[in-house]
Amino acid sequence: GNSVTQMEGPVTLSEEAFLTINCTYTATGYPSLFWYVQYPGEGLQLLLKATKADDKGSNKGFEATYRKETTSFHLEKGSVQVSDSAVYFCALGSGGGADGLTFGKGTHLIIQP
Amino acid sequence: DAGITQSPRYKITETGRQVTLMCHQTWSHSYMFWYRQDLGHGLRLIYYSAAADITDKGEVPDGYVVSRSKTENFPLTLESATRSQTSVYFCATPGEGTDTQYFGPGTRLTVL
Repeated sequence: GNSVTQMEGPVTLSEEAFLTINCTYTATGYPSLFWYVQYPGEGLQLLLKATKADDKGSNKGFEATYRKETTSFHLEKGSVQVSDSAVYFCALGSGGGADGLTFGKGTHLIIQP
Repeated sequence: DAGITQSPRYKITETGRQVTLMCHQTWSHSYMFWYRQDLGHGLRLIYYSAAADITDKGEVPDGYVVSRSKTENFPLTLESATRSQTSVYFCATPGEGTDTQYFGPGTRLTVL
């Protein structure tokens, strides 16, 4: 079956540091990959996505590249801000929205000023 | 233009009581999903529905019942709540014309 493994936190960084959150997956076929973000007390928001190998998703300075050869979808940002403090979830899905998503356990990111 | 809404946002109940969580979407998408979020587990799929009157189990369906008489509504019922069902529950649906799931604001349920 499908599974997603992401680094567990909390991850604590200083403002303006470089961020990488690792995500690897196991899936049959060619899933779509997603990063969702959850700010304190809120629901999940889509951060970015990629639907095929070598696609790069990007949004708000965050990027992730769909790497089929390493089954990875690592999240990166060049310079984090305090406002990026949140929980980040890597997820995969297939079936064009017809299947439920498989989520990683989430990574709690804390950015210190 | 609310998209997807959930009610109530917070609920406290007692062990053994029946509880229904509501989910409503304005996109009329055929697919809807229920997840629960627990520390250390991320989000796990409880039930999903492909259309009105078509539902199927996800990863953790035990103790839950769903129905889908109208496309826009997808209620989740805990028939006899247990403490292990204390969680945050999220409803989701693909947005209009997309393959991306959009989530409601969540319901925080506490079972005492």
